Amino acid sequence: EVQLVESGGGLVQPGGSLRLSCAASGFTFSDYAMNWVRQVPGKGLEWVSSITRSGDTTYYTDSVKGRFTISRDNSKNIVSLQMNSLRAEDTAVYSCVAGSASKMWGQGTLITVSS
Amino acid sequence: DIQMTQSPSSLSASVGDRVTITCRASQGISDYLAWLQQKPGKAPKSLIYAASTLQSGVPSKFSGSGSGTYFTLTISNLQPEDSATYYCQQYESYPFSFGPGTKVDIK
Repeated sequence: EVQLVESGGGLVQPGGSLRLSCAASGFTFSDYAMNWVRQVPGKGLEWVSSITRSGDTTYYTDSVKGRFTISRDNSKNIVSLQMNSLRAEDTAVYSCVAGSASKMWGQGTLITVSS
Repeated sequence: DIQMTQSPSSLSASVGDRVTITCRASQGISDYLAWLQQKPGKAPKSLIYAASTLQSGVPSKFSGSGSGTYFTLTISNLQPEDSATYYCQQYESYPFSFGPGTKVDIK
């Protein structure tokens, strides 16, 4: 069974940091580019970041460049998102997604940035 | 950056109907287009990739077509379980982008 399980969400103050992790199982992790997508509850989907299969290239949406860092460990089947200098507008459910065509999704973890 | 638009933003149809959702890209994306279904409180589910290829296990009542800048998702024989929000997504170039979604309700 394919599983993508996110962890690390929670409440953080503006300017704070959080590290999200996503543990993958049930498929060959190193065969897939990995992505983080976020969704404000009740709103649409927003692509945040991607990392290639080998981890040698990363991509970010403009609003998080310089603040977020995506990484992966193919030996442990984990993809991570380090989020620094968090802002209120980063509040959303963050989901781990496998494949450029968004083939497999985790259930997501809620990040709330508020004082 | 590539902008994705969808129409309509919502629709209501009867059981058994066939409905079509349109997705447009602001520039050509070949067939690098995916369709996703999201039910309330659930993670999105991939239906179609490469504009017209069904993901494994997705019923054939869903079909996709198009290339370049114009794409459609058609749902045949609409059933109550098809009530959801449908999103298109381009993955031709970064930054990837999603359409705003089309909410499908059953009358």
